This record gives sequence, C-alpha cells and structure tokens, in this order.
Amino acid sequence: QKEVEQNSGPLSVPEGAIASLNCTYSDRGSQSFFWYRQYSGKSPELIMSIYSNGDKEDGRFTAQLNKASQYVSLLIRDSQPSDSATYLCAVNRDDYKLSFGAGTTVTVRA
Amino acid sequence: DAGITQSPRHKVTETGTPVTLRCHQTENHRYMYWYRQDPGHGLRLIHYSYGVKDTDKGEVSDGYSVSRSKTEDFLLTLESATSSQTSVYFCAISESVSEAFFGQGTRLTVV
Repeated sequence: QKEVEQNSGPLSVPEGAIASLNCTYSDRGSQSFFWYRQYSGKSPELIMSIYSNGDKEDGRFTAQLNKASQYVSLLIRDSQPSDSATYLCAVNRDDYKLSFGAGTTVTVRA
Repeated sequence: DAGITQSPRHKVTETGTPVTLRCHQTENHRYMYWYRQDPGHGLRLIHYSYGVKDTDKGEVSDGYSVSRSKTEDFLLTLESATSSQTSVYFCAISESVSEAFFGQGTRLTVV
C-alpha cells in the first residue's frame, strides 16, 4: 500500500465550477498535510498546509482534514483556466520525511 | 523560488559515468531533500539531510549517494549512471516539520 494515494485524473471541470481533489494516507502517525500545485515543466509550489482536523480556507482554496478517516481533500472554488495543473498531496510524519502522492491532473475548460 | 539553486539544470550523460547534482540554498534551512519525479510515480524521496554531515536514505536510495559538508550545499551523486536514473530531480528545503520549498529541477538523461 502506498503511503499517500490520489486519484490520478485527469479531472476536467468547467470554468467557474468547484474542483474537488482527494487524498488518503496510510500512516496514522502523520502530523502535517500539504497541497502543492505543479504546472507542466515547473517545480511544485506550496498552496495549502493543514495540521488539525477541519477546514482551512485561503482565497479560493479550502483544505479539509479528517485524521480518523486518514483523508485530506482540496476544494478549488470558481475554477479558472490558470488552475489547470497537477496537484500533489504530501504528508509528513514527525521524522522530517515528506511523502507525496502521484498527483491529480486538473483541467479547467473555458 | 525560496533561495534554492540547482545545477546543472539539464544534463545528458552516458551509462556508467558518475554524475553529481548540486543544490545550493541561501535560506539557512536545516533540512534538505533530493526527490526524483517520474510519470505515474509522483515525487519519490531519494535521500535527505537533517544537518551538516547528517543524512539518511529515502525510499529509492539505491544507486545514489549524498553529501552535505556545509549547511547551504547538498550534493547528489550517481556513482555509475544507468538508464533507469533518467528523471527529473528536485531539491527541496525546509526548516522544520513543515512546508518544503523546491528548486527548479534538473532534467537528467542517461543514454
């Protein structure tokens, strides 16, 4: 079982819609959770971090964490063509090793 | 980018030759990481460092070695390059058990 699993997609959404991305992780001891965005040919950039159960909102992005279900999600509201990218879920235990999922590719249709 | 420079950005090398990739940071962050990224696999950790001369293996460390003699530099060496090591290599840094920031990446092709 992979440490971090994501649906690979592609996820296609119309402009203005909500894109919903899901991620599950295997290690119950995981403490920190992150979402990175990666445009084609570029390096990953951090867009959200979440450390406790519940929702965290930042602009059009909302991260949701449920440690009991070992589940973290990312919602992108009012999706724009510039949101078209691969989104990587990352999970950190307390041993400083950040583990990544394979990524979900999102395409926003104009 | 958060003060991280990778060199070279692109390299083509022959099978069996040694290759060294360099990661240089200006943020004075304690932790440094080397990842490789391949289609369908996401980012996989090769080696990481938690201080000068303190390093440990990641999930795909076979065929790779690292060294960190200064806080700002983390070197990744392929002792004898193979075609399976053709990949995009990313260096990342972090200060604690928190967000990691990535360099621009190095595209390595082994022919």
